[in-house]
Amino acid sequence: DAGVIQSPRHEVTEMGQEVTLRCKPISGHNSLFWYRQTMMRGLELLIYFNNNVPIDDSGMPEDRFSAKMPNASFSTLKIQPSEPRDSAVYFCASSSTSTGTYEQYFGPGTRLTVT
Amino acid sequence: AQRVTQPEKLLSVFKGAPVELKCNYSYSGSPELFWYVQYSRQRLQLLLRHISRESIKGFTADLNKGETSFHLKKPFAQEEDSAMYYCALKGTGGFKTIFGAGTRLFVKA
Repeated sequence: DAGVIQSPRHEVTEMGQEVTLRCKPISGHNSLFWYRQTMMRGLELLIYFNNNVPIDDSGMPEDRFSAKMPNASFSTLKIQPSEPRDSAVYFCASSSTSTGTYEQYFGPGTRLTVT
Repeated sequence: AQRVTQPEKLLSVFKGAPVELKCNYSYSGSPELFWYVQYSRQRLQLLLRHISRESIKGFTADLNKGETSFHLKKPFAQEEDSAMYYCALKGTGGFKTIFGAGTRLFVKA
């Protein structure tokens, strides 16, 4: 298994543009998490899904952010419109609740730069 | 509310010296605690979990409920331990995991 796959790996965009980040979890995992990493605030949980259903989106900064999980093998995080303060590394992680370990497997991250 | 505090952003030690990365948590129930590590150019990955009471790469961490701490320790640091370390907490019920701000460990030769 290639592990959690994220695309793109790097994204540079101008303020006001729409940005879509993509994630493919590990096959068989039923929980998916989106995190944002910054120097100032570390790793922040934005939203997580269980069995494709959003369970907790209290970490989503504002209405400009939205996330979807249309099926078990794909999720998107969208920012519209983007702002310079959204610049960060965005991680996707997945886990399997059936193992009982709650270990999360992380993707390589998407480095977003908004100018 | 769930909270994880890692008071040190950067910790620098010499090779062979003991190292302790501090983690304190706030949670009213019985949490599960984890340490994750991110080596340079690698993915964030689980290092150890308190339930397993294991030693991984010479690192150990003991959950102290009285002090609400889960400090990560290693008696003799090695250069390859240089990485970013995150302490994480999962509460009972649900799968939400809260991470601390992270501590960058730098082991000098």
